[in-house]
This record gives sequence, structure tokens and C-alpha cells, in this order.
Amino acid sequence: DSGVTQTPKHLITATGQRVTLRCSPRSGDLSVYWYQQSLDQGLQFLIQYYNGEERAKGNILERFSAQQFPDLHSELNLSSLELGDSALYFCASSAQGNLYGYTFGSGTRLTVV
Amino acid sequence: GQQVMQIPQYQHVQEGEDFTTYCNSSTTLSNIQWYKQRPGGHPVFLIQLVKSGEVKKQKRLTFQFGEAKKNSSLHITATQTTDVGTYFCAGVDSGAGSYQLTFGKGTKLSVIP
Repeated sequence: DSGVTQTPKHLITATGQRVTLRCSPRSGDLSVYWYQQSLDQGLQFLIQYYNGEERAKGNILERFSAQQFPDLHSELNLSSLELGDSALYFCASSAQGNLYGYTFGSGTRLTVV
Repeated sequence: GQQVMQIPQYQHVQEGEDFTTYCNSSTTLSNIQWYKQRPGGHPVFLIQLVKSGEVKKQKRLTFQFGEAKKNSSLHITATQTTDVGTYFCAGVDSGAGSYQLTFGKGTKLSVIP
């Protein structure tokens, strides 16, 4: 157990639907990052939150949004889903300054059918 | 934006052979990190390099950070089947305001027993 909890582990949904992925960071970590990993692809940065505020944005589609709540857990919302959105979605957390690397969760595997 | 290139994309080695993966950034990095992702798993932090020309060792793994802080390498001596997985480098742009990591696409290592 890495200390970062992601739910659900698997999600199968139809095109056009909306889903919410949840992430609880490691205790004490204020930063949360969301990454998308498609088959045989690297980790594509989506968005970062630090202590409740958006800190950086990557190639996140307009159909996707995220937020970090006062208890520091984060949610990634994916709407109007398309087949191409099928991927592994990882959440990671880090301590301030990222001196000790990111701690990744186990990921949510999203399949859009 | 910042780009991190990693080669080779795939590497198949006989058990006992050495393995090296190379990472190059389009921008100067403040630090570089290495992660390992086992098949079906999530990325796990291995190490961080910060200083120009830095070399760090972890048992059979040797990590180097280039003098210009734009490239890095990971060398594994005498590979074992437990080394199987994808190795990612990830860099923090020295000019960026956040600690967001940009990941390379990874090198997938297969070890033939």
C-alpha cells in the first residue's frame, strides 16, 4: 500500500456518460497530481492541486475537470466520454517541494464502450 | 513546453546482461527523478538527482545526471528477472513555478531467463 488511495479500481461505462474518479493523498501531502496513461504510452500530466488550489494544468481536455477538497482528497470528473478516453488514470501526491518524489496510487482503469 | 525524450522504447536482454536507458530534456532541469512501473502496477519512485554531474548507485542500478542538467541515464548491471518493467525518467523544469514532473515515455525492459 503506497498510502495514496484511488477508487474505483475499475470502471466500465458507455460513451457520452460522466464518471468521477477519487483520490486520497498520502497523509501529510498537500499536492495532488492526475496523470493519464494510455496503452503503451507514457504518463500524460493532466492537472495539479496544492492545498486546495489549482497549481498547474497540462493537456487536460475541456470535458475533464478536477478539484481538491478541504480534507485534501481530490476528484477527477470526466464527462461526455469517448472511446479514446479509455486509459489508466493515476493520482499521485507529494510533500511540499517534491523532494522525495511522487507517491502514486494504484490507478483507476477506465474502459469506455 | 518542456519535452522529455527517452530511448530506447523497448529493450530485450538476456538475464545477466547489462541495460541502459537514456533520457534527454529540451530544457534545463532543476532535478530529475526515475520511476519503475512493474507490469500491471503503478510507478514507484526510485531516486532523485539534483546536482550537475551527480552519480548515485542503488545496488546494481547506477543513475547519472548530465553536466548541463539536460540528460540522464539509468544503468542496470547484470539484469535479473525482477528488473522487468518500464523505467521512466521525469524532470522538473528549472524555469517552472511548480514542481510538476514531465515524464518520458519510458523504456520497457524485458529480461529473458
